[in-house]
Parts: sequence; C-alpha cells; structure tokens
Amino acid sequence: KAGVTQTPRYLIKTRGQQVTLSCSPISGHRSVSWYQQTPGQGLQFLFEYFSETQRNKGNFPGRFSGRQFSNSRSEMNVSTLELGDSALYLCASSRNGETQYFGPGTRLLVL
Amino acid sequence: AQSVSQHNHHVILSEAASLELGCNYSYGGTVNLFWYVQYPGQHLQLLLKYFSGDPLVKGIKGFEAEFIKSKFSFNLRKPSVQWSDTAEYFCAVNALGDDKIIFGKGTRLHILP
Repeated sequence: KAGVTQTPRYLIKTRGQQVTLSCSPISGHRSVSWYQQTPGQGLQFLFEYFSETQRNKGNFPGRFSGRQFSNSRSEMNVSTLELGDSALYLCASSRNGETQYFGPGTRLLVL
Repeated sequence: AQSVSQHNHHVILSEAASLELGCNYSYGGTVNLFWYVQYPGQHLQLLLKYFSGDPLVKGIKGFEAEFIKSKFSFNLRKPSVQWSDTAEYFCAVNALGDDKIIFGKGTRLHILP
C-alpha cells in the first residue's frame, strides 16, 4: 500500500506570496491532518479534515487554510507569506482517530 | 488543554548502553499515546503506540514503552542501543477519538559508535 505523498517536496517563495501544498493520503484513509515543524517550536498541529470537513483546528492565524476533496486528497494554503512561515509542513493520514501515518513533508523556505 | 513534556532535549550514549527517554503528558481524560521517530533525512515514523490494555507496549527495533497512568507518563526504553538508533524521538498524545495529536518538543539521541 502506498504511503502518504506530499508535493512539492521543496519550495522557495518570497514574503507576501501565497503557497499551496498538496497531500495524498493512504488509500482508504479519510482523515488528513497538517502539522508545521520548526526547530524552535517543534511539531505544531495546524488542522484536520475528515470527509471534506474541517474537524479540528490549531492555533494558527487565518492566513493558514486548507481543504479536502472527495477523494480525501487535501491541500493547505498559506497566504501573505512571512519569514517565520519557513518550516517543514507535514501531512498525516488515518482512518478515523487511529494511528496517523506521516508523509515526507514539504520544506518551505520564505525569503 | 493537552500538553506533552519530554525531559531531555539531547541525549548522547555509547553503543550497547541502555536508554530511557522520559515523557509526561497533561490531560484528564482517556488518551492514546505514541512514540514517533525521525531518522536523519527521513520522515516521521511510528515507533509504538498505546491505546488500551497491557501498559507495557513493545514496538519496532527493540523499543518498548510503559504507560503509568498515575504518573501521566509514557517513557520509552531500549536495553541496548545501536548506532543506527541515532534520531529524533517524539512523544505524542491525542484524546480518544480526536485526530489532533499533541507532540512533545522531541529528544535528539546521538549514539557514539
């Protein structure tokens, strides 16, 4: 069974731009969660989608948003990028409230 | 609110030494507990998990963890570490039925050959 895939793997943007990251969950998994990983803050929960609905949200500003499609694939969007948004963005999928399986992440660098 | 505390940020051991990484969580309800590992250049992988039942959980690569409910702890152990165990280890918790996982800050483990 293929694992969680994320695209792109690396991204360089400048301040003020916006970015969209994509995540394809493991087949059969309907829950997709997003996390931000930085050296200073560690892994922080962004949001979780299940059956196209946002079910949980972390403490991030409204510039961070996401959505989930009917095939469970998910995208997250960050608008008006700031230098502090540079991070590894991880996507994880699960069936429903069970073990989450993580993708390789998208490394975003904001210049 | 849930929180997870990992006692050590960096641990350096020699091969064959025994390992114990501390993890405490704060949450009043029923929780699921996890240890994830991130090897250099690789993505986060599940090491072991506790949902219910026997509080001593065995995971991959000879790791085990013990859930002590009265102490809100879920410490990770390995009797004899190898150089290949060099990685960052994350303790995590989620409330039963909730996909929001709260992670600890991580412990960087460095094994000297």
